[in-house]
Amino acid sequence: GAVVSQHPSRVICKSGTSVKIECRSLDFQATTMFWYRQFPKKSLMLMATSNEGSKATYEQGVEKDKFLINHASLTLSTLTVTSAHPEDSSFYICSATRQGARTDTQYFGPGTRLTVL
Amino acid sequence: GDSVTQMEGPVTLSEEAFLTINCTYTATGYPSLFWYVQYPGEGLQLLLKATKADDKGSNKGFEATYRKETTSFHLEKGSVQVSDSAVYFCALRLYNFNKFYFGSGTKLNVKP
Repeated sequence: GAVVSQHPSRVICKSGTSVKIECRSLDFQATTMFWYRQFPKKSLMLMATSNEGSKATYEQGVEKDKFLINHASLTLSTLTVTSAHPEDSSFYICSATRQGARTDTQYFGPGTRLTVL
Repeated sequence: GDSVTQMEGPVTLSEEAFLTINCTYTATGYPSLFWYVQYPGEGLQLLLKATKADDKGSNKGFEATYRKETTSFHLEKGSVQVSDSAVYFCALRLYNFNKFYFGSGTKLNVKP
């Protein structure tokens, strides 16, 4: 099947530092990757959509300078939380759609738990 | 706006019990509806989907019917197993839009 990995699975950092989260499609090429954020007992909230080689499209209310997304290759997208603060603590999930496939089929990574002290 | 509401959990059942997890939606236009499942330590996986009214999605003994009149897509299984313990997410995708709206997830615990 289509496998998406995320690294790290868990990260703790100090306030003011930047954290990078990687999302990789392991056995397929992903034309589009999505980044979600999940608060406790809340739904997944789409943050941004990224296409390989182009700028990410951010959802309303998501600070693009705060959450930097890079989709440099067909198998890798990164989310960098810049100058992290405790309110950025959350569960971040990425997903990817397979090149040539319908975009209603998304393959999800296992998520990254970010804790900002 | 467009949204999905699903019942809060956790839901705790004994093995072989009947399962229903309620999901209702609000959408402009004609959405496709999905159920995703997340097992511990893994990413969300598509469980089933329905793309138009009255369609029934089914997989692994789970079923859900797209009910336009009640804007619902309730998940059902006749006899749950311990291995079904997971978090279940209801979601919608608007036609021709590359965006999903997810419910908050319902944790299911099945006891032997």
